[in-house]
Amino acid sequence: DTGVSQDPRHKITKRGQNVTFRCDPISEHNRLYWYRQTLGQGPEFLTYFQNEAQLEKSRLLSDRFSAERPKGSFSTLEIQRTEQGDSAMYLCASSQEQSEAFFGQGTRLTVV
Amino acid sequence: KQEVTQIPAALSVPEGENLVLNCSFTDSAIYNLQWFRQDPGKGLTSLLLIQSSQREQTSGRLNASLDKSSGRSTLYIAASQPGDSATYLCAVSGGDDKIIFGKGTRLHILP
Repeated sequence: DTGVSQDPRHKITKRGQNVTFRCDPISEHNRLYWYRQTLGQGPEFLTYFQNEAQLEKSRLLSDRFSAERPKGSFSTLEIQRTEQGDSAMYLCASSQEQSEAFFGQGTRLTVV
Repeated sequence: KQEVTQIPAALSVPEGENLVLNCSFTDSAIYNLQWFRQDPGKGLTSLLLIQSSQREQTSGRLNASLDKSSGRSTLYIAASQPGDSATYLCAVSGGDDKIIFGKGTRLHILP
């Protein structure tokens, strides 16, 4: 296992379209996190999972955002009816409880 | 609500100098603190993890300290090199394991 993997690395979409990102965590990690990062800012927390259970969803996330981790392994983040303000880097991380977190390379979303 | 602040926001120093990056957090009830490095357009690379019971961690030219009671951490970089140029991010994790980040310090090492 080589670390946290995110797909795609880049996504360009038209406003109003739906997009889905995938994250494959380190296999033995039970925690999985999603963050959003815009230029010059630190990562903003979106949501996280303990195995398949979603523990918290940030108030930053509108109803257009949904995340799943159906079998406690990989996770998907879907954005419906994308807006230009959704353009950002979406980062995924995984960890064991209260241990070091490891991040993927991110998915850069551009909404045109 | 946990808030993490990093000072300075940006720093430029000549190659070879030692430097210190600062991180402060508002809620001292943390389980651990982690320092990350981020290169432009890339993901985050973990540098050091300090558990709440620890005072410091070292990795090569990097040394991170933690003063949990005062809500502060520092990242010390010895003998800086141009390859150290990046954004350095501090993040804390509490009992709920939610990881909260600062905005980072953009470091530029001048050759």
